[in-house]
Amino acid sequence: DAMVIQNPRYQVTQFGKPVTLSCSQTLNHNVMYWYQQKSSQAPKLLFHYYDKDFNNEADTPDNFQSRRPNTSFCFLDIRSPGLGDAAMYLCATSTSSGGAHEQYFGPGTRLTVT
Amino acid sequence: AQSVSQHNHHVILSEAASLELGCNYSYGGTVNLFWYVQYPGQHLQLLLKYFSGDPLVKGIKGFEAEFIKSKFSFNLRKPSVQWSDTAEYFCAVIVYNFNKFYFGSGTKLNVKP
Repeated sequence: DAMVIQNPRYQVTQFGKPVTLSCSQTLNHNVMYWYQQKSSQAPKLLFHYYDKDFNNEADTPDNFQSRRPNTSFCFLDIRSPGLGDAAMYLCATSTSSGGAHEQYFGPGTRLTVT
Repeated sequence: AQSVSQHNHHVILSEAASLELGCNYSYGGTVNLFWYVQYPGQHLQLLLKYFSGDPLVKGIKGFEAEFIKSKFSFNLRKPSVQWSDTAEYFCAVIVYNFNKFYFGSGTKLNVKP
């Protein structure tokens, strides 16, 4: 089945130690998103790629960066994680032709910062 | 800025009770509307969506939602809930021709058997 895959599902990192979360998709969608979701809160969009074009949200901390080496893969890099960065990180994809389309979500990576 | 409000943060119902979850958004232009569900330990899944046409849309598992443009609302309904509907429900809005979703803060539904 076509899907959005996130690895790992659970990630523990130390305060200040860089960490990378990965997302891959078999849907061949041209748009990929990264969201941060904290407990009992709405998913918060960090950035998205429209094909190779990177779109950063204005309030996304500089500590968060992303790479998309090809259509299928997208990475979230957290350069110096703080305790406040502990959250669920969701990857999503969509196609963008002709208007707005639903997003397909991966299972998420739960990040713990110790 | 656009926003999505879900006023019910936590709803507890008994099986067979009727459900209505509220969703209001603040954007005056053309929008597309979605309800997503997140079952415990699972990823967000699409329940239903409204793009255009009949404002009453039917989704999976007996859910439906009604788009009322004059009220900027897109409430989710189900006539008779089941224990398996226990989950968190998110309303989402996308502004037409843009790629950004705006999510509500979610409503946790707990259905007692």
